[in-house]
Amino acid sequence: QLQLQESGPGLVKPSETLSLTCTVSGDSISRSIFYWGWIRQPPGKGLEWIGSIYYSGSSYYNPSLKSRVTMSVDTSKNQFSLRLTSATAADTAVYYCVRDMMATDWGQGTLVTVSS
Amino acid sequence: QSALTQPASVSGSPGQSVTISCAGTSSDIGDYNYVSWYQQHPDKAPKVLIYDVNKRPSGVSHRFSGSKSGSTASLTISGLQAEDEADYYCGSYTASSTLVFGGGTKLTVL
Repeated sequence: QLQLQESGPGLVKPSETLSLTCTVSGDSISRSIFYWGWIRQPPGKGLEWIGSIYYSGSSYYNPSLKSRVTMSVDTSKNQFSLRLTSATAADTAVYYCVRDMMATDWGQGTLVTVSS
Repeated sequence: QSALTQPASVSGSPGQSVTISCAGTSSDIGDYNYVSWYQQHPDKAPKVLIYDVNKRPSGVSHRFSGSKSGSTASLTISGLQAEDEADYYCGSYTASSTLVFGGGTKLTVL
């Protein structure tokens, strides 16, 4: 059974880099046909797609975040990661890792707060 | 990319049917059959109810159905139950190889 688990700091200072990792179990990133991605949800607000990455490194990002986002894959650990630079309070959100471009499977989410 | 347009709220009584619309453009819903619907209960992760416009994942009730006409997709919930009270989001693949969501619809079961 597929499981996606987000991990990373719950508190990030303004202007610093937000970094999260998603550990996948129940599927192999390197043998999967799917893209893997990140979606976030600010408190009390809607969903925002951040981007998706294939095991080969091919990636697509939300144009509004593209200049600050980098995603990567570590097939040896069956993990993929998100880096968001120059964090501001507007980046405070629950961050979800998902399987597939259309987010057919979701992790439980992790709250990241950007505050000094 | 512009968000898809959903009504902010809909409501219905138990046993009734409700339909939630999701308006897009020719660059997303209008051009691709990659439309999904997600259900989110408070403090829970979203769960996919419908994918590829009208397909249901295993385990999702037949009371949920999806359709599309032109650039507008719809989610219909029949036989409304108290447990259906939640937020619903549509999502579509776009011509830019991205995923765009609607703003979300709060369903109230009266």
